[in-house]
Amino acid sequence: ETGVTQTPRHLVMGMTNKKSLKCEQHLGHNAMYWYKQSAKKPLELMFVYNFKEQTENNSVPSRFSPECPNSSHLFLHLHTLQPEDSALYLCASSQGAQGGKLFFGSGTQLSVL
Amino acid sequence: GESVGLHLPTLSVQEGDNSIINCAYSNSASDYFIWYKQESGKGPQFIIDIRSNMDKRQGQRVTVLLNKTVKHLSLQIAATQPGDSAVYFCAERYGSSNTGKLIFGQGTTLQVKP
Repeated sequence: ETGVTQTPRHLVMGMTNKKSLKCEQHLGHNAMYWYKQSAKKPLELMFVYNFKEQTENNSVPSRFSPECPNSSHLFLHLHTLQPEDSALYLCASSQGAQGGKLFFGSGTQLSVL
Repeated sequence: GESVGLHLPTLSVQEGDNSIINCAYSNSASDYFIWYKQESGKGPQFIIDIRSNMDKRQGQRVTVLLNKTVKHLSLQIAATQPGDSAVYFCAERYGSSNTGKLIFGQGTTLQVKP
């Protein structure tokens, strides 16, 4: 148990659906992240939040919409996704947002049909 | 450019042998490096880290070596066990210590044969 919990573990959605991924960390960290993990590719940073404020958006399409209501919770709202968005979406947290040690959740395996 | 690479996509070792997983990084100004292990169905888990002012750091059964001259990082696992089978990622911190971010490599799959 890493202290970072993601739900759901698996999600199948159509291109017209709207769904949300949830992440919660119990580590007292102030920074939270969304990463995308596709087969045969390195982890791709999507968004960074530090003390609830978004500090990085790595040119992510607007069909991905993050929300960070507090330092312990992070959401990723999904709408009108494409099949190429199918991937493992990982949430992570860290004590600072300076590129230090990250603690990852188990991820949500997303399939877009 | 930003790229962190591993030399081999797959490494197969016999149980009990030592494993060495290699990583080449591109940014000579990177000041911090991490190794992660990812088992099937799980997120990446921290194994060990090292700062650029060190050449070697040891953990429990693992050692990380850093060669800044050739921008090379390696992870050594002693007495490899079946539970070590996983994908291993290296990451470098790119940018300053105040605003840096981690750049991940593609991963090496370690297969442990019984």
